[in-house]
Amino acid sequence: AQRVTQPEKLLSVFKGAPVELKCNYSYSGSPELFWYVQYSRQRLQLLLRHISRESIKGFTADLNKGETSFHLKKPFAQEEDSAMYYCALNNAGNMLTFGGGTRLMVKP
Amino acid sequence: DAGITQSPRHKVTETGTPVTLRCHQTENHRYMYWYRQDPGHGLRLIHYSYGVKDTDKGEVSDGYSVSRSKTEDFLLTLESATSSQTSVYFCAISESSGRRTGELFFGEGSRLTVL
Repeated sequence: AQRVTQPEKLLSVFKGAPVELKCNYSYSGSPELFWYVQYSRQRLQLLLRHISRESIKGFTADLNKGETSFHLKKPFAQEEDSAMYYCALNNAGNMLTFGGGTRLMVKP
Repeated sequence: DAGITQSPRHKVTETGTPVTLRCHQTENHRYMYWYRQDPGHGLRLIHYSYGVKDTDKGEVSDGYSVSRSKTEDFLLTLESATSSQTSVYFCAISESSGRRTGELFFGEGSRLTVL
């Protein structure tokens, strides 16, 4: 069965520091992975997907099939990055399995 | 924001009472989903729909039923609410097209408390 694991429930960093939110998955097929973000008082929304290989708001994520990971990274965190981040796996068509989420707090 | 509205946004009820949450979309998207969000568990899929009258179970479907009689409405029913169903419930929609597969648009959530 597919599973998405985010080992850190809370990650606290100072503004300007690098940040890495970890995501590991288990899936027997060819995975399609996403990062979703929920800012305070806003709806959960798509941040980026691995097939796009794009940088959104300075965040990037690389799919590592050997390590079954899809970590989210940003070289210099900003206070407005504080939010709840969810890693998600698309296992069949439009079915997403989400991880437990990591709350990122960026301190001034 | 995508045209998704959930109602009610907040509800407090007692154990054993029936509860229905409504999700309404104006985007004409084919897929609709109900997730629950709980600390430490992230979002877990309850039920989903891939068309009018076409629904299927998700990961945590026990104690829940759904109905979709119109493209725009997806109802989630708790026949007899229990305290373990206290949660925040999110509706989501998506369209099934290659480039946008996997992109879900979420509602604002419905906070349900079962006493």
